[in-house]
Amino acid sequence: GDSVTQMEGPVTLSEEAFLTINCTYTATGYPSLFWYVQYPGEGLQLLLKATKADDKGSNKGFEATYRKETTSFHLEKGSVQVSDSAVYFCALSERGGGADGLTFGKGTHLIIQP
Amino acid sequence: DSGVTQTPKHLITATGQRVTLRCSPRSGDLSVYWYQQSLDQGLQFLIHYYNGEERAKGNILERFSAQQFPDLHSELNLSSLELGDSALYFCASSSRPGQGWGYTFGSGTRLTVV
Repeated sequence: GDSVTQMEGPVTLSEEAFLTINCTYTATGYPSLFWYVQYPGEGLQLLLKATKADDKGSNKGFEATYRKETTSFHLEKGSVQVSDSAVYFCALSERGGGADGLTFGKGTHLIIQP
Repeated sequence: DSGVTQTPKHLITATGQRVTLRCSPRSGDLSVYWYQQSLDQGLQFLIHYYNGEERAKGNILERFSAQQFPDLHSELNLSSLELGDSALYFCASSSRPGQGWGYTFGSGTRLTVV
């Protein structure tokens, strides 16, 4: 079945550091890929998405590129802030937008120190 | 406030009991999804309802059931509870199926089975 693998952390960085959170996936077809963010005590929020190979999703300074050849969707940000501290989830949907549910990675806890 | 309301926020109950979790979707959304988040399994898709009808089933146990009412709110019923059912249960809504990028998550119900 489908699966998503991501580094679990915690990942601790200093403010203004460069961020990469790795995400790789296994799927039988051509999935859509997502990054969600969860702040303490809140539900998940969509951060960015990509629906086909070589698409780049971006939002709030975060970027991720859909790499079919390496089955990856790594999340990057050039300069992190303390407010970026949260748990980040990589997810896929096998059929379009997720009517059959999203498959999530286990989440990466990111801690940004001032 | 995401617009998706889940009640109660916290629930503590004993093994063997039955509980009902409630979700009110964002105004105008017809699809409701239920997810379970636990430390060992991560985020798992349980079930999807669209406009009162079941659309997709994920890793939902037979002891669990759900329904969506004419006013579009949804309830997740968990019975014969076991210690391993302790988890965060999230509801998400979208305007229609296949809009995974349009998911709006509630802040969850934390269930503790003792």
